[in-house]
Amino acid sequence: NAGVTQTPKFQVLKTGQSMTLQCAQDMNHEYMSWYRQDPGMGLRLIHYSVGAGITDQGEVPNGYNVSRSTTEDFPLRLLSAAPSQTSVYFCASSPTGGPPYEQYFGPGTRLTVT
Amino acid sequence: AQKVTQAQTEISVVEKEDVTLDCVYETRDTTYYLFWYKQPPSGELVFLIRRNSFDEQNEISGRYSWNFQKSTSSFNFTITASQVVDSAVYFCALRRNNAGNMLTFGGGTRLMVKP
Repeated sequence: NAGVTQTPKFQVLKTGQSMTLQCAQDMNHEYMSWYRQDPGMGLRLIHYSVGAGITDQGEVPNGYNVSRSTTEDFPLRLLSAAPSQTSVYFCASSPTGGPPYEQYFGPGTRLTVT
Repeated sequence: AQKVTQAQTEISVVEKEDVTLDCVYETRDTTYYLFWYKQPPSGELVFLIRRNSFDEQNEISGRYSWNFQKSTSSFNFTITASQVVDSAVYFCALRRNNAGNMLTFGGGTRLMVKP
C-alpha cells in the first residue's frame, strides 16, 4: 500500500493563477480531508468528505474547492491563488466504522504564492 | 466550539533531560478523542497516541508517557531521557465523537534536544 499520496511536493504560483493539489489513498478509506499548516497555528481543516459524492466545509474553506468523485481521490482546487494561501497542505484519510482511528496523513505539498 | 492550546511554543533541552509538553483542551462534548502527532524536520506527520474521554489511564510507551486528566482538561506528553532524534514539532489534537476525521489541532510545540 502506498498510503496517502500527494502531488506535487512543491509548487510556486503567481497571484491569480489556479491549480489543483492532488490527493489519493489506496486504503479504501471513506473519510478524507484537507488541512493547511501555518506557523504557530497548527493544522486547520479546509474541506472534508465522508464518502464519494459528499463534501463539506471545514474551518477555513474560502478560496478552495473540492470534489470527491471516487473513494480514492480528493483533489483540492485553488481557483485564484492569493499570497494568503502560501502554506503547507496536508491531505488525510481515515476509515469509518468501529473506534475512531487515527488519520493517515500524506507527505504534504508546500505551496508558495507570489 | 472546540479549542486546543499548547502554550509552549518552543522548548529546548539537553539530551537525557526529561521534558513535558502541555496540552489543554476545551470541548462541551462528553465523548471525544485526543491525539498526539509528531512532525520531524522532514515534515511528515507521525501518529503517536489516541485516547478517548472515558479512558483516563495514563499510558507509557518506551520513553514516552501520557497523562490524561479530565478534571483539568489536559493531556500532557512526557519524554523521558530525551534524545536528539526527539527534536520535532509536536501537535495535540481533539476530535469530537461522530465527527468523521475532523481534528482540531493545537498550535504545536517545537522541541529542540541538544547533544
